[in-house]
Amino acid sequence: EIVLTQSPGTLSLSPGERATLSCRASQSLGRNYLAWYQQKPGQAPRLLIYGASSRAAGIPDRFSGSGSGTDFTLTLSRLEPEDFAVYYCQQYDHAPDTFGQGTKLEIK
Amino acid sequence: EVQLVESGGGLVQPGGSLKLSCAASGFTFSNFWMNWVRQAPGKGLEWVANVRGDGRYTQYFDSVKGRFTISRDNAKNSVYLQMNTLRVEDTAVYYCAPGAPVGATSYVSWGQGTLVTVSS
Repeated sequence: EIVLTQSPGTLSLSPGERATLSCRASQSLGRNYLAWYQQKPGQAPRLLIYGASSRAAGIPDRFSGSGSGTDFTLTLSRLEPEDFAVYYCQQYDHAPDTFGQGTKLEIK
Repeated sequence: EVQLVESGGGLVQPGGSLKLSCAASGFTFSNFWMNWVRQAPGKGLEWVANVRGDGRYTQYFDSVKGRFTISRDNAKNSVYLQMNTLRVEDTAVYYCAPGAPVGATSYVSWGQGTLVTVSS
């Protein structure tokens, strides 16, 4: 199975700042089937990005995804108060689907 | 609007059994793979199992093979997860999520989850 390693584990930033989250795969994702989710306490995950760089419906354009192969990035261009949450990457390029361990984005 | 409502969670002793249900609406249920994904308390997400739209093909994560069985009833727009020989490490919130008609996909829609606690 493909292991996804997210970094950093915790990111402390202030509203208005830029956030860069990383996800590294143990094997190349040939089809770049990499998704990003946001999860807030007590809620189900919410899809943000699929196919490495396509925004899901209703997701603000301050969220962007990039990368290919084994290295992927989620960028939040200007943090809003509601963006502080845990973010997970997921690969669905190779069965079984696997998720990263998460990055917690907290208010500094 | 896609709606997914999981039920059937609860407290069970190690070695016990539990059956989860997920009632779906808002899409053509029989056309889509259905997945179960779980999240242990304070931990990350883990895909558990899925079943094809016609119910004839299933896949499982290694740690649940031989213990869990996924099934569906397209007449009731529902998917199930029969969990046997439960272990403490199966404690988690279990979510159902539709996949795609064919091929791999990310998970656009999720239910609210149902909590399974395995403890003596």
